[in-house]
Amino acid sequence: AQSVTQLDSQVPVFEEAPVELRCNYSSSVSVYLFWYVQYPNQGLQLLLKYLSGSTLVKGINGFEAEFNKSQTSFHLRKPSVHISDTAEYFCAVSPFFYNQGGKLIFGQGTELSVKP
Amino acid sequence: GAVVSQHPSRVICKSGTSVKIECRSLDFQATTMFWYRQFPKQSLMLMATSNEGSKATYEQGVEKDKFLINHASLTLSTLTVTSAHPEDSSFYICSARGHGDYGYTFGSGTRLTVV
Repeated sequence: AQSVTQLDSQVPVFEEAPVELRCNYSSSVSVYLFWYVQYPNQGLQLLLKYLSGSTLVKGINGFEAEFNKSQTSFHLRKPSVHISDTAEYFCAVSPFFYNQGGKLIFGQGTELSVKP
Repeated sequence: GAVVSQHPSRVICKSGTSVKIECRSLDFQATTMFWYRQFPKQSLMLMATSNEGSKATYEQGVEKDKFLINHASLTLSTLTVTSAHPEDSSFYICSARGHGDYGYTFGSGTRLTVV
């Protein structure tokens, strides 16, 4: 079974400051890792995903994340945030092998609030 | 890119009635559909997984007779909330995945309010 822990429920930050949203996971099998963003009353939009290869993954809107296998972490970073980045961010994992069901398991979410 | 269209975006229904939510994959074949429920300020809770042409697999604690899922074609899945009650009010989101694809495409969600 897999589980995901997002270590911060709320992250307030000033505009143009850097931000890091933390995510740790637990799994008995290899997993794929994802970060999604959700704006109010909307579905989820994929920011980035790690499937294999380079542990530093670049996504949309200037976000990037680094996969750390030894620490089972996949923290999301952005060097300079904008007001428009204010949203809910979800870290998620799914089993590596398709025949393991492919469920996407979400963390609890982190509310990023960017202040002027 | 892959697009999943979810309708309706908002629905208000009377207690005791049934509501159907549709999700369509517009430019790919969705071999697997996932249905989630989200309460305010909370994460997404997986309700069920459905593969095209098969019965849905429900997560523990989800009433299969109340939340009917149909995945009759590779581009359409429906969730019917039967005999809805106010406690069923929530945000419902579908997600689709194609065969051999490790990406998940989400619908825009449906806000259900039962009065």
